[in-house]
Amino acid sequence: AQSVAQPEDQVNVAEGNPLTVKCTYSVSGNPYLFWYVQYPNRGLQFLLKYITGDNLVKGSYGFEAEFNKSQTSFHLKKPSALVSDSALYFCAVGGYQKVTFGTGTKLQVIP
Amino acid sequence: DAGVIQSPRHEVTEMGQEVTLRCKPISGHNSLFWYRQTMMRGLELLIYFNNNVPIDDSGMPEDRFSAKMPNASFSTLKIQPSEPRDSAVYFCASTTSGFSTDTQYFGPGTRLTVL
Repeated sequence: AQSVAQPEDQVNVAEGNPLTVKCTYSVSGNPYLFWYVQYPNRGLQFLLKYITGDNLVKGSYGFEAEFNKSQTSFHLKKPSALVSDSALYFCAVGGYQKVTFGTGTKLQVIP
Repeated sequence: DAGVIQSPRHEVTEMGQEVTLRCKPISGHNSLFWYRQTMMRGLELLIYFNNNVPIDDSGMPEDRFSAKMPNASFSTLKIQPSEPRDSAVYFCASTTSGFSTDTQYFGPGTRLTVL
């Protein structure tokens, strides 16, 4: 069965510093990987996805993620964090089955 | 485009009452998903439809839950009878084709409180 792990429940980072939110996955066959963001009292919003091609994927709001097949990881990154980036971030994986979401990581950017 | 529309946004009801949640997917999307989000269990897929047909309802917690999609522009999730443990935020999402490469577009959610 496919699965996603987000090992950190919360990540704290100072405004202006680089941020990383970690994600590892397990799936049979080629992985399709996604990041979504959820702001308070809102639905999930798509940030970026990896289907095939370049391992570095660029998405909305300056976020990017790197697909690493050997480490089965898809970490979300941003060079300089903003207070407005504070939200709940979900990693998801799709294989031949339905898409599976991780448990979410709360990102807190401290002014 | 208006995006995925859900109603009501908030619902407070008493245990034992019937609750109906509604969803209008994005026009032209062929797949629709119902999720439940709680602090304890995170985001759970309840059921999804492709071309109005239920494909996988293995996430539906029990017989008290039922979902329908009578046409391409409308779906309901019904809980009868409701229980306090059903309190959660329920999301609807739609995609263009239902493939696992598709981006899911989520509605704003319905916050359900069962007293």
